[in-house]
Amino acid sequence: SSEVTQDPAVSVALGQTVTITCLGDKLKNFYASWYQQRPGQAPRLVLYGKNNRPSGIPDRFSGSYSRNTASLTITGAQAEDEADYYCNSRDRNANPLFGGGTKLTVL
Amino acid sequence: QVQLVESGGGVVQPGKSLRLSCAASGFTFISHGLHWVRQAPGKGLEWVAYIWYDGGNKYYADSVKGRFTISRDNSQNTVFLQMNSLRVEDTALYYCARDASLLGTTDYFDHWGQGTPVTVSS
Repeated sequence: SSEVTQDPAVSVALGQTVTITCLGDKLKNFYASWYQQRPGQAPRLVLYGKNNRPSGIPDRFSGSYSRNTASLTITGAQAEDEADYYCNSRDRNANPLFGGGTKLTVL
Repeated sequence: QVQLVESGGGVVQPGKSLRLSCAASGFTFISHGLHWVRQAPGKGLEWVAYIWYDGGNKYYADSVKGRFTISRDNSQNTVFLQMNSLRVEDTALYYCARDASLLGTTDYFDHWGQGTPVTVSS
């Protein structure tokens, strides 16, 4: 399968920890990357590679892998973390392939 | 700082053509590949096309292959997306995104523009 699967929606209480997962066959061979998209804004890279954050991304964002699943964990979620999160993997041609996105609600 | 500014979007009838541009600044343009990614209204992100740093290789999503062409002018720091035979389902906000890799292969999208909207409607 060349699909990349994400849960459509996840919620977390303010200050608690939440994990967003991404399932895809190619994640056995390629690292995922993760993008945050707030309403009305362009996507922003928040995590890449094994567990790397671009400059300016808080260290409450972290990543991990298990078999064909990549996970984005927010430890101590803040109100500003409420957004859509997209993972990116590869399709059968090794071209980029986005998951369907996860809408994160911070309660 | 890295800037990507898209332009050229608009309203067009099905079957017609449109050419998008993405003007880049703040980095060594010829060192990076560039992507087009689109987002239909209320939907998720869809990768569209990618061009190597030197234009030597180009890749397309199956949904646009044969209709869209990506190109770049390294003297003008600009990447283009020529969209022909447009369909209603091509309606989306089109983003230009820089690939982080300094080689030809894709890695991840480290900088994004704000997008240019394309509406295909009769």
